[in-house]
Amino acid sequence: EVQLVESGGGLVQPGGSLRLSCAASGFTFSNYNMNWARQAPGKGLEWVSYISNTGGTINYADSVKGRFTISRDNAKNSLYLQMNTLRNEDTAVYYCVREDYSNGWSKFDPWGQGTLVTVSS
Amino acid sequence: DIQMTQSPSSLFASVGDRVTITCRASQNINNYLNWYQQRPGKAPKVLIYAASNLQSGVPSRFSGSGSGTDFTLTISSLQPEDFATYYCQQIYNTLSSFGGGTKVEIK
Repeated sequence: EVQLVESGGGLVQPGGSLRLSCAASGFTFSNYNMNWARQAPGKGLEWVSYISNTGGTINYADSVKGRFTISRDNAKNSLYLQMNTLRNEDTAVYYCVREDYSNGWSKFDPWGQGTLVTVSS
Repeated sequence: DIQMTQSPSSLFASVGDRVTITCRASQNINNYLNWYQQRPGKAPKVLIYAASNLQSGVPSRFSGSGSGTDFTLTISSLQPEDFATYYCQQIYNTLSSFGGGTKVEIK
């Protein structure tokens, strides 16, 4: 079974840092591009960051660029998101998402269960 | 960046109703458009990919259409388990983005 399990969320003060992890299982992790997405309480989905299967291509949403860093360790089947200089508006459930392909077309599937990050003093 | 605009933001419908949700991209994204369903407290799941392709395991009452900038998700006969929030997503490039969501509520 394909599974993504996030960890590392919690309560942090504004200006603080947090590192999220995502453990992947049930598929060949090194073959897949990965993403982080988030959802603020009661709000819609927001794409956060992308990393290619080799780590050679990385992208960020403007809202996190310069503060967040995505990385992966294919030997450990793990995806990471280092979040620095956190703001109140970064409060959200953070999802680890695989980019799957069908007939050459891309889709986000599956999603992890999410980990809650709360930025508050 | 590509902006995605969904409408309506919410709607009320009854079991058995036909429901249509629209999504507009700020530029041509060809068919790089996916639809997701999210139930309360759960992670999103993909329903439709490449604008009109039904994800394996998704009921055939769900369908998608459109290309370029204008897209539609249709539920032909709404079922109790379909009351949820639906999101479109463009994946034209590696900077993806989502629409604001459409909450389908019970009338």
